[in-house]
Amino acid sequence: KQEVTQIPAALSVPEGENLVLNCSFTDSAIYNLQWFRQDPGKGLTSLLLIQSSQREQTSGRLNASLDKSSGRSTLYIAASQPGDSATYLCAVKDDYKLSFGAGTTVTVRA
Amino acid sequence: DGGITQSPKYLFRKEGQNVTLSCEQNLNHDAMYWYRQDPGQGLRLIYYSQIVNDFQKGDIAEGYSVSREKKESFPLTVTSAQKNPTAFYLCASSIAPGSSYEQYFGPGTRLTVT
Repeated sequence: KQEVTQIPAALSVPEGENLVLNCSFTDSAIYNLQWFRQDPGKGLTSLLLIQSSQREQTSGRLNASLDKSSGRSTLYIAASQPGDSATYLCAVKDDYKLSFGAGTTVTVRA
Repeated sequence: DGGITQSPKYLFRKEGQNVTLSCEQNLNHDAMYWYRQDPGQGLRLIYYSQIVNDFQKGDIAEGYSVSREKKESFPLTVTSAQKNPTAFYLCASSIAPGSSYEQYFGPGTRLTVT
């Protein structure tokens, strides 16, 4: 059974600092990995999708890397802003379903 | 605007009552999914449907039922058999059931059972 872990569970940084969020998974036989953002009481917004054949994906200030062999992905958010405060979830796709981590809750202090 | 709608946003029920959560999408997606989210935990898959008139159990299907009579609709019924129904329920869809496709999520329904 796929297990997805996100450490740390919570993170607080001053505005302008770069954010590094970690995701690990136990079974490397995945098809893709998605990073999501969730604001309190809201649904999930997809940030980046990395296919298993890719090493990284970039969108604006966001960059996600994938090392399938070691079962790790990292989400980098450059020059953090208070608007980046949210919970970030990673999920791996194996066959039909996504397996989710519990998320990292980020607070960016102005 | 294309997207996924879930209604209502908040739902309150008494213990022992069945309740149905609505999920509608106008993205023309074939696959649809229901997840449950509890505080401090990742999302867990309840049911999924790859095509109209077909659906499969996910990891935590006990106490839930679904139907897929139309491509755009995938309602979830939480029955009285579900022991801990209070949770945040999220519906998702993807273009096709294949492994490479991105999943898109609705805004969620928060169900409280007392």
